[in-house]
Amino acid sequence: EPEVTQTPSHQVTQMGQEVILRCVPISNHLYFYWYRQILGQKVEFLVSFYNNEISEKSEIFDDQFSVERPDGSNFTLKIRSTKLEDSAMYFCASSWGVGETQYFGPGTRLLVL
Amino acid sequence: AQSVTQPDIHITVSEGASLELRCNYSYGATPYLFWYVQSPGQGLQLLLKYFSGDTLVQGIKGFEAEFKRSQSSFNLRKPSVHWSDAAEYFCAVLSPGGDDKIIFGKGTRLHILP
Repeated sequence: EPEVTQTPSHQVTQMGQEVILRCVPISNHLYFYWYRQILGQKVEFLVSFYNNEISEKSEIFDDQFSVERPDGSNFTLKIRSTKLEDSAMYFCASSWGVGETQYFGPGTRLLVL
Repeated sequence: AQSVTQPDIHITVSEGASLELRCNYSYGATPYLFWYVQSPGQGLQLLLKYFSGDTLVQGIKGFEAEFKRSQSSFNLRKPSVHWSDAAEYFCAVLSPGGDDKIIFGKGTRLHILP
């Protein structure tokens, strides 16, 4: 069964450093998403992406964040200058249409020191 | 604004016992409803979903959920739990025809006693 994959599974970085989280969505899906889950809190929507542009973003997704689909398979989330409060589990998801089931990857646990 | 409430933060049941996890939502119309499960160190796996039609939906791993419009609820059930069901369970909603973001509840952590 096709699945969403994410790399790395864990990332430790120093405050102020740039990180790139990578995702490979399910191959025939057209819509891509990033969510995050701070430890002990609920999963929160960050951004949705379709046709090479952002469809919607939350208040969390400020200028420090960016997303890109650099080729036909990868979908990345970049945090330009990490802050301590960016420490969280970041989930990528994909779906084939708006309002359709979103399938989630295993997550990348980011720790900012 | 849409919201999802899972009133139980932790639930403990004995292996073989039945299970019901509660979920209530707040939304002007009937949203799309989901249950996801997150095992320790794992991602979010879709257990089941409700879009329309039969209000009792069957999912994977022997789980089912019932949509009750009058109660704005979508409770998850399993007749007999297994030790491997120990995980965190998230109820979630998506607005049909609206924005494309899933709103999650805070989750219920299920503990299984041997």
